[in-house]
Amino acid sequence: DIQMTQSPASLSASLGETVTIECRASEDIYNGLAWYQQKPGKSPQLLIYNANSLHTGVPSRFSGSGSGTQYSLKINSLQSEDVASYFCQQYYDYPWTFGGGTKLELK
Amino acid sequence: EVKLVESGGGLVQPGRSLKLSCAASGFNFNDYWMGWVRQAPGKGLEWIGEINKDSSTINYTPSLKDKFTISRDNAQNTLYLQMSKLGSEDTAIYYCARAPGYSFDYWGQGVMVTVSS
Repeated sequence: DIQMTQSPASLSASLGETVTIECRASEDIYNGLAWYQQKPGKSPQLLIYNANSLHTGVPSRFSGSGSGTQYSLKINSLQSEDVASYFCQQYYDYPWTFGGGTKLELK
Repeated sequence: EVKLVESGGGLVQPGRSLKLSCAASGFNFNDYWMGWVRQAPGKGLEWIGEINKDSSTINYTPSLKDKFTISRDNAQNTLYLQMSKLGSEDTAIYYCARAPGYSFDYWGQGVMVTVSS
């Protein structure tokens, strides 16, 4: 199985700040990577797919980048509604696997 | 509007079975792979598996392959998850999701399954 290592596990940032979350795969996943946002008590919502494509309706302050085994999610100008947990997921090879998650809080 | 609604969860005794359903609407169900993901309380996400459009291909995470069975009824626009030999480790929120070929683009609200005596 491909292991997905996400960092940091938790993050505290101020409104308006730029935040970056990293995800490392145990082998090359050829951009088969998605990012999800999960607010407390809610189901996950797709933000980014194919490493850098923005899902419909997602604000442009979210962006994804990376290649090979290293990927990142960037949130520009942090808003209060961005407080959530974020998960990466590889879908290059079965079984699909998720990162452990990053909990983002406001400072 | 894409809508996925899970049902069938609840409290179940260890060793018993349970079948979850996911009713889909707002899109052509026949055109999409569908999948299941679970999340234990306070934990991360675990991919259970997915099924293709005509049920000819079903992929599972290896550790659940002998316990869980995914199926679908395209006439009823419904996805199923049959779970057997349940243990406390299966206590989780179970989500169904649409799989367009790149990740899961829409998720249901989830259904809680609690395995306890």
